[in-house]
Amino acid sequence: GAVVSQHPSWVICKSGTSVKIECRSLDFQATTMFWYRQFPKQSLMLMATSNEGSKATYEQGVEKDKFLINHASLTLSTLTVTSAHPEDSSFYICSARDWGTSAIYNEQFFGPGTRLTVL
Amino acid sequence: DAKTTQPPSMDCAEGRAANLPCNHSTISGNEYVYWYRQIHSQGPQYIIHGLKNNETNEMASLIITEDRKSSTLILPHATLRDTAVYYCISMGAAGNKLTFGGGTRVLVKP
Repeated sequence: GAVVSQHPSWVICKSGTSVKIECRSLDFQATTMFWYRQFPKQSLMLMATSNEGSKATYEQGVEKDKFLINHASLTLSTLTVTSAHPEDSSFYICSARDWGTSAIYNEQFFGPGTRLTVL
Repeated sequence: DAKTTQPPSMDCAEGRAANLPCNHSTISGNEYVYWYRQIHSQGPQYIIHGLKNNETNEMASLIITEDRKSSTLILPHATLRDTAVYYCISMGAAGNKLTFGGGTRVLVKP
């Protein structure tokens, strides 16, 4: 199957700083990528949908000015958590849809996740 | 997209078949049933999907009832590495977003 990578796999930062997380599709082109957040013992919550070359679509309740998403190429999307606070500590997961093979059904390939800890 | 209901947890014995139920009584005719699983501290992994026919691949089998109101994911020979949270999701083919519910936390025991 297609491979999606994330970098970094974990990050610790001080409160008030910004953190950038990268999501890459390694062997396919992803016109659409998704960003999820997962708190301990909870399910994944979709934060936003990122389309290459256009603005991201954010889910209700997600602050677009705090979680900046850029999808500048068909293989890379970035999530920047601006002015991070301890409550932003979470597991951030991206996924990508390979339209070349999944135009009919909605198979999405997930990255391994990035664990963010804000002190 | 239709709501799905799964038991919160279940145990199964290593080497035995694991049968994971999912209720999707409000599913519409063009909605598929997808199964993903998430091993601890990893991203979700696609398992299988189906519309109305039973499906089988190298990981699992998916049995969908004739009225499509429920389905069962079958792991034919569970191993310890199958311990994970399993998510059943229904969505139309043209749908874009996967909405994860609570899933079933499966613990495979020796």
